[in-house]
Amino acid sequence: EVQLVESGGGLVQPGGSLRLSCAASGFTFSSYEMNWVRQAPGKGLEWVSYISSSGSTIYYADSVKGRFTISRDNAKNSLYLQMNSLRAEDTAVYYCARRIDYWGQGTLVTVSS
Amino acid sequence: DVVMTQSPISLPVTLGQPASISCRSSQSLVYSDGNTYLNWFQQRPGQSPRRLIYKVFNRDSGVPDRFSGSGSGTDFTLEISRVEAEDVGVYYCMQGTHWPPWTFGQGTKVEIK
Repeated sequence: EVQLVESGGGLVQPGGSLRLSCAASGFTFSSYEMNWVRQAPGKGLEWVSYISSSGSTIYYADSVKGRFTISRDNAKNSLYLQMNSLRAEDTAVYYCARRIDYWGQGTLVTVSS
Repeated sequence: DVVMTQSPISLPVTLGQPASISCRSSQSLVYSDGNTYLNWFQQRPGQSPRRLIYKVFNRDSGVPDRFSGSGSGTDFTLEISRVEAEDVGVYYCMQGTHWPPWTFGQGTKVEIK
């Protein structure tokens, strides 16, 4: 069974940093592209970032480019999202997704003073 | 970026009756390989999104056959043949043809009358 478990969310002040993690199991992690997608409270879905199976190709949404960094450790079956210079508008539930077919349960990031 | 527009935004339905959600893209979603990368997701209250349909009309594993997808080019439809109580939630279309970024519709909330 495919499982994706996000962690690392929490309350952070504007300008602060957080590192999200996603632990994958139930499939060959190193063979799959991965994504981060977020959902602001009461809002729709917004794609955030993509990383290829090897980590060699990476994309970001314009809204996070230059502030967020996606990475992966295939030996640890883990996906990461380093978020710097956080803003109030980054407040959302962050989901990791295998390609776009399986999603985790999400982790809430709240940016507030 | 490709803009995805769903209608209606809210859809009250009677149990056992059909429901239909429209999704239009700002440009054709036919990819150079001949495939059309249009997905449908269901998000039940308090849950993470679940993919129902990929490449316009293909149901994901475990998705009831009362869900069906159709369409081509820029116009797509998700139909529920007979709505059940467990179908309450928000439905999103998403295009994976012109990426990055992957883009979602704004969502359609299905509720029981």
